[in-house]
Amino acid sequence: AQSVTQLDSQVPVFEEAPVELRCNYSSSVSVYLFWYVQYPNQGLQLLLKYLSGSTLVKGINGFEAEFNKSQTSFHLRKPSVHISDTAEYFCAVTLYNTDKLIFGTGTRLQVFP
Amino acid sequence: DGGITQSPKYLFRKEGQNVTLSCEQNLNHDAMYWYRQDPGQGLRLIYYSQIVNDFQKGDIAEGYSVSREKKESFPLTVTSAQKNPTAFYLCASSIAGGGTYEQYFGPGTRLTVT
Repeated sequence: AQSVTQLDSQVPVFEEAPVELRCNYSSSVSVYLFWYVQYPNQGLQLLLKYLSGSTLVKGINGFEAEFNKSQTSFHLRKPSVHISDTAEYFCAVTLYNTDKLIFGTGTRLQVFP
Repeated sequence: DGGITQSPKYLFRKEGQNVTLSCEQNLNHDAMYWYRQDPGQGLRLIYYSQIVNDFQKGDIAEGYSVSREKKESFPLTVTSAQKNPTAFYLCASSIAGGGTYEQYFGPGTRLTVT
């Protein structure tokens, strides 16, 4: 069965510091990978996605993620965070040729001044 | 403006009552989804539909029902059989086919059952 693991439930960081949010997946078939962001009491918004090609993917708000097939990881990074990046971040995969998303449990990023 | 609307934003019900959550989209998407979000558990798929008049159970369908009579609408009914219905419910839609397309999410409905 496919699954997604987000290793950190909370990540506290000071403003302008770099951050990495970790995501690992398990699947015996090809997957597509996504990162979504959720601000308090709102729906989810796509940050970036990996379908194929270059393993380094750039998204909105200065975020990027790197697909590592050998380590089955898709970690999200930002070189310098802002207070407004405080939110919950979800990693998700879709199975090849299906539309079903499988989500991780989320990582709450808290940026302090 | 294209998007997904969910209403109401907050909903309160007494135990034993059925309640229907609304989801409407004007993105012309074929596929629609319902998720339940609980603290620390991420999003779990309740039901999804890839075409009008057809839908499939997700991972936690027990105690829920849906209909898809129109492309734009995918209402979710939380029945009295759902043992723990208090949660944040999110509706989403996407272009159907192959899993390469992002899902667009509505703002959610927070249901409280007492």
